[in-house]
Amino acid sequence: EPEVTQTPSHQVTQMGQEVILRCVPISNHLYFYWYRQILGQKVEFLVSFYNNEISEKSEIFDDQFSVERPDGSNFTLKIRSTKLEDSAMYFCASRADSTGPEAFFGQGTRLTVV
Amino acid sequence: QKEVEQNSGPLSVPEGAIASLNCTYSDRGSQSFFWYRQYSGKSPELIMSIYSNGDKEDGRFTAQLNKASQYVSLLIRDSQPSDSATYLCAVISGGYQKVTFGIGTKLQVIP
Repeated sequence: EPEVTQTPSHQVTQMGQEVILRCVPISNHLYFYWYRQILGQKVEFLVSFYNNEISEKSEIFDDQFSVERPDGSNFTLKIRSTKLEDSAMYFCASRADSTGPEAFFGQGTRLTVV
Repeated sequence: QKEVEQNSGPLSVPEGAIASLNCTYSDRGSQSFFWYRQYSGKSPELIMSIYSNGDKEDGRFTAQLNKASQYVSLLIRDSQPSDSATYLCAVISGGYQKVTFGIGTKLQVIP
């Protein structure tokens, strides 16, 4: 069964460092998303990506965040200068437009900023 | 105004009982509605989707949608301890099809 794959599963980084979180969405999907979930809190929308550009972003997604789909298969989230409050689970999700609107999630990357 | 509202719980039910989870949403233009289950430390797992008014049944799960009342619910029949998890209501709305989640309701099924 096709699935969304995220790497790494756990990333520890020092405050101020750059991190890149990687995702491989399901191959025929058209919409891509990043969400985050701080421990014990709700799943929060960060950004959506469609047709090779950002289609919507939340207030959380400020200038320190960026997304790319560099090669037609990977979908990355970059955090340029990490802060302690960026520590969270980051989930990638993808949706197919024509076959169904359900969003399928990867297993997440746990980011710990120390 | 919160876009998707759920009671955070916990909701405790005895094993074998029916668990009833509720959700309201604010955007009348919302088109698609989902229930995800999330175990602690894991990613959300889709369990039900519903797009039109009425009931939709899948095994022990029944989703109910009332667009006039902007209300979605999930019933879990014959609840099992393995159903203990947080249940996230999610709604798709907007031109770019953003998926918005509620805070989730924590369900505890007591053996």
